[in-house]
Amino acid sequence: GDSVTQTEGLVTLTEGLPVMLNCTYQTIYSNAFLFWYVHYLNESPWLLLRSSTDNKRTEHQGFHATLHKSSSSFHLQKSSAQLSDSALYYCALSVWGGRALIFGTGTTVSVSP
Amino acid sequence: DPKIIQKPKYLVAVTGSEKILICEQYLGHNAMYWYRQSAKKPLEFMFSYSYQKLMDNQTASSRFQPQSSKKNHLDLQITALKPDDSATYFCASSQGTGGNYAEQFFGPGTRLTVL
Repeated sequence: GDSVTQTEGLVTLTEGLPVMLNCTYQTIYSNAFLFWYVHYLNESPWLLLRSSTDNKRTEHQGFHATLHKSSSSFHLQKSSAQLSDSALYYCALSVWGGRALIFGTGTTVSVSP
Repeated sequence: DPKIIQKPKYLVAVTGSEKILICEQYLGHNAMYWYRQSAKKPLEFMFSYSYQKLMDNQTASSRFQPQSSKKNHLDLQITALKPDDSATYFCASSQGTGGNYAEQFFGPGTRLTVL
């Protein structure tokens, strides 16, 4: 079945350093939509980035990701981490015309001064 | 003002009882969803509704029944509650399904504990 893999459960880093969170997915469908959601404690998850276009970089709030269908990847990157980036990040896949979101296990990012 | 309201925020129930989780969205969206997040597990898709019709059901158990009385409401009835049902249940909505309408907005969640 369709699935999303996030290999890092926890990423700890110092403010100002770059961030990269891995996301790979599996699906038999060609019309994959990939998303990154951010989940702060005691808040609702909200959409950070999304893409369905192969090899096109998408950016928002200093984060960027590029969907590579050849490698089934949608890694999230930021050049300089901020304290406010500390949160749980989910990569998600949708293949049913945008209905069900299939989430990865999530990566907790902890940024320290 | 909150755009997606979930009630209650916290819910404690006894095994075997029945509860209803409420979700209302004020975004004018046509599609609504339920997700569940159990302890140390990722968000798990349960149901999707579009124009008040069930589109997808990924929940194996019939104990979970979504109910849509209005276009902007999607409640979740859970019967014969079990301790394994303990989780945070998130409601979400999107303008439509597919393409650029696929962005889903999430509510604050209802944390259910079954004793």
